[in-house]
Amino acid sequence: AQKITQTQPGMFVQEKEAVTLDCTYDTSDPSYGLFWYKQPSSGEMIFLIYQGSYDQQNATEGRYSLNFQKARKSANLVISASQLGDSAMYFCAMSPAVNTGNQFYFGTGTSLTVIP
Amino acid sequence: ETGVTQSPTHLIKTRGQQVTLRCSSQSGHNTVSWYQQALGQGPQFIFQYYREEENGRGNFPPRFSGLQFPNYSSELNVNALELDDSALYLCASSSADRGRTYNSPLHFGNGTRLTVT
Repeated sequence: AQKITQTQPGMFVQEKEAVTLDCTYDTSDPSYGLFWYKQPSSGEMIFLIYQGSYDQQNATEGRYSLNFQKARKSANLVISASQLGDSAMYFCAMSPAVNTGNQFYFGTGTSLTVIP
Repeated sequence: ETGVTQSPTHLIKTRGQQVTLRCSSQSGHNTVSWYQQALGQGPQFIFQYYREEENGRGNFPPRFSGLQFPNYSSELNVNALELDDSALYLCASSSADRGRTYNSPLHFGNGTRLTVT
């Protein structure tokens, strides 16, 4: 069974500080993709960052980096230099390569609030 | 580059009615997926279409059906609406090769918020 766990329902961070959002996953598929999305109150899911299961290096995209620990099945998102506009819901997602319907499995999300 | 657009943005229906939601894919994307997001939850996969054929389906009953058109736009149809169908419906497109999404991000629209009374 495929499963994504986000254990932090809500997080607070001071503006300009770094924050780590946790994500663990469970899959028996050796090949998969890990993704993080941001969902502001407007509802749109905004793609942030991707990590392939065979990628040796952690992915980075601007202020976002993914701390990928394959043996622990964790894919934590690190946001550096937080900004007020970072306040939103954040979802971790996984898509296994084996034919499971070509779907993304999402966690329940973490609500991030950036404090001025 | 035009992103994913969905219509309508909000919709109110009565239990038992039918509804059609529409989606225009991002330019160049041949794969479209639909997700249901209940309040306080992560999105749940409904189905995916690749080149006009259903290419994967989640755990949703047959009253959820879809279409993809030659221009890669798409529709989600829900028959016999139930109160639990109230949710945000998200359409996402990608350029995934043969619809394989494991190494290709989904690009989402703003969603349609459906309320069933």
